[in-house]
Amino acid sequence: GAGVSQSPSNKVTEKGKDVELRCDPISGHTALYWYRQSLGQGLEFLIYFQGNSAPDKSGLPSDRFSAERTGGSVSTLTIQRTQQEDSAVYLCASSLDGVFNQPQHFGDGTRLSIL
Amino acid sequence: AQRVTQPEKLLSVFKGAPVELKCNYSYSGSPELFWYVQYSRQRLQLLLRHISRESIKGFTADLNKGETSFHLKKPFAQEEDSAMYYCAPRGANSKLTFGKGITLSVRP
Repeated sequence: GAGVSQSPSNKVTEKGKDVELRCDPISGHTALYWYRQSLGQGLEFLIYFQGNSAPDKSGLPSDRFSAERTGGSVSTLTIQRTQQEDSAVYLCASSLDGVFNQPQHFGDGTRLSIL
Repeated sequence: AQRVTQPEKLLSVFKGAPVELKCNYSYSGSPELFWYVQYSRQRLQLLLRHISRESIKGFTADLNKGETSFHLKKPFAQEEDSAMYYCAPRGANSKLTFGKGITLSVRP
């Protein structure tokens, strides 16, 4: 594809519900990243996948958050029992690989609103 | 701990004025430094990286290891430069650590 694709672009849900956010990286990119962009907080790293290696989950804020990447391509970020503080824009990025100096290409993000 | 500081939230200048967006970092090892930009209603995108020593859209950034700074500069700002700018060091673990960003507003 032309770039990183994320869906849905907007998601509104009630507190306590589970949500799934999808990311389709650029074809051939082996590295995939999830970030969260909150008002006044900048961008916060969540999780990083590189090829077949175990993902770096060090940025996930709680055990309600999880992510998987199937077949080395599409990734899904799941938030269980959503809370109002989960409201944010969730950004996905991919890069050719995780090697030093490869830039990351970002999607448009999913704007998540928890009522 | 890895940390990046963008001390200002907003910089407002007139068209043609010089611009300096500050970035300081605290990082173990030798990180690579990036500046990312997000224009209104567009996705976040790479502006420049220190390793390339390039000038993009008239912007340059010099890595000062002594001061651990990577300030973004442009001698003559244009209205189309108005955007949100993020400084982002990246270490050997490949994670970008973003600053909180600064909004640059260039007035006509």
